[in-house]
Amino acid sequence: GESVGLHLPTLSVQEGDNSIINCAYSNSASDYFIWYKQESGKGPQFIIDIRSNMDKRQGQRVTVLLNKTVKHLSLQIAATQPGDSAVYFCAESPGNKLTFGGGTRVLVKP
Amino acid sequence: DAGVIQSPRHEVTEMGQEVTLRCKPISGHNSLFWYRQTMMRGLELLIYFNNNVPIDDSGMPEDRFSAKMPNASFSTLKIQPSEPRDSAVYFCASSFQGARKGYTFGSGTRLTVV
Repeated sequence: GESVGLHLPTLSVQEGDNSIINCAYSNSASDYFIWYKQESGKGPQFIIDIRSNMDKRQGQRVTVLLNKTVKHLSLQIAATQPGDSAVYFCAESPGNKLTFGGGTRVLVKP
Repeated sequence: DAGVIQSPRHEVTEMGQEVTLRCKPISGHNSLFWYRQTMMRGLELLIYFNNNVPIDDSGMPEDRFSAKMPNASFSTLKIQPSEPRDSAVYFCASSFQGARKGYTFGSGTRLTVV
């Protein structure tokens, strides 16, 4: 399997810098959100999730921020590495299924 | 754990032929999802099952598409007859307790209909 060559917004970042990827979600009833990473030739891979009763959640080198007022989600990657080059998707869920956003391509420059 | 296993990895078929995509979810997961990824529409949910029962098939594009889950360890997505516009990458994902724990995706099947 492979990822499709989507015409996506692209974020170019220097290796070692921090990356911020933004996502606007549409359903005000969504109470669960996930960020996925999709590398070329692979399926989406879970990175981090957050529930609507939280504003911030941290993982290893990643932080997700949720602003329910403006329905905005962001993913921050600290000290971006070449292995972080991929397409990143946010997904929202008001119930039992996830709806994915369009994705952002991150390119890490050495 | 081998993860979600999809087969075949690549499928090339002629328009009008039947295509069957296969998925083996992670053992113990009770929800299974079929997604389609295209350049134009991104990742779209086609159908999902809870405990082998189809719950929501509103994303299935038309009657040419059908999905089954005869048991907890196997699901198929069938397209009959196939058309060039069905060309896409089809992903299967599984999870425990619906979407609340996130999904684990398979590597996908790239379908090309010529």
